[in-house]
Amino acid sequence: AQKITQTQPGMFVQEKEAVTLDCTYDTSDPSYGLFWYKQPSSGEMIFLIYQGSYDQQNATEGRYSLNFQKARKSANLVISASQLGDSAMYFCAMRGWNTGNQFYFGTGTSLTVIP
Amino acid sequence: DAGVTQSPTHLIKTRGQQVTLRCSPISGHKSVSWYQQVLGQGPQFIFQYYEKEERGRGNFPDRFSARQFPNYSSELNVNALLLGDSALYLCASSDGGLNEQYFGPGTRLTVT
Repeated sequence: AQKITQTQPGMFVQEKEAVTLDCTYDTSDPSYGLFWYKQPSSGEMIFLIYQGSYDQQNATEGRYSLNFQKARKSANLVISASQLGDSAMYFCAMRGWNTGNQFYFGTGTSLTVIP
Repeated sequence: DAGVTQSPTHLIKTRGQQVTLRCSPISGHKSVSWYQQVLGQGPQFIFQYYEKEERGRGNFPDRFSARQFPNYSSELNVNALLLGDSALYLCASSDGGLNEQYFGPGTRLTVT
């Protein structure tokens, strides 16, 4: 079974500071992908970053980086230089090779950037 | 290039009615997935279609059905609506591999 856990219901960060959103996962799949999505109040899920289970280096996309610790089964999202527009819900998701294209999502973390 | 599109944007239905939601994937994407997102929770997988065939089904009752057309667009049907079906319904498309899915803006369904 696949499971994603996000233990931070809400987070606050000062504008221009960095913030880390936690995500742990559980899977028996030897090959899997980890994803982070941003969901503003409008509802659309916006893809941010992807990490493959066999990738040697942590993924980075602009101000987003994924701190992947395979042994700990964690895939934390780091947002650097926070902006007011970063205020949104953030979801960690996983897809396993044996589960096809089904994504498993966590419960999300609400991030608020304070001016 | 156009992203994933969904229609309608909002919908209000009465208990017991039936509803059809529509989704058009990104051009070139052959896989479409449907998710239900209840307020305050993460999206829950309903269906996945690839090349017009059902490739996965989540833990939803038979009142939920879907299909994919030759142009890869998709419809989600929900019969005998319940109050608990009120949610944001998200459609996502991908190229069928293990890569990321791209989501549409969603259809917000309210059942009264």
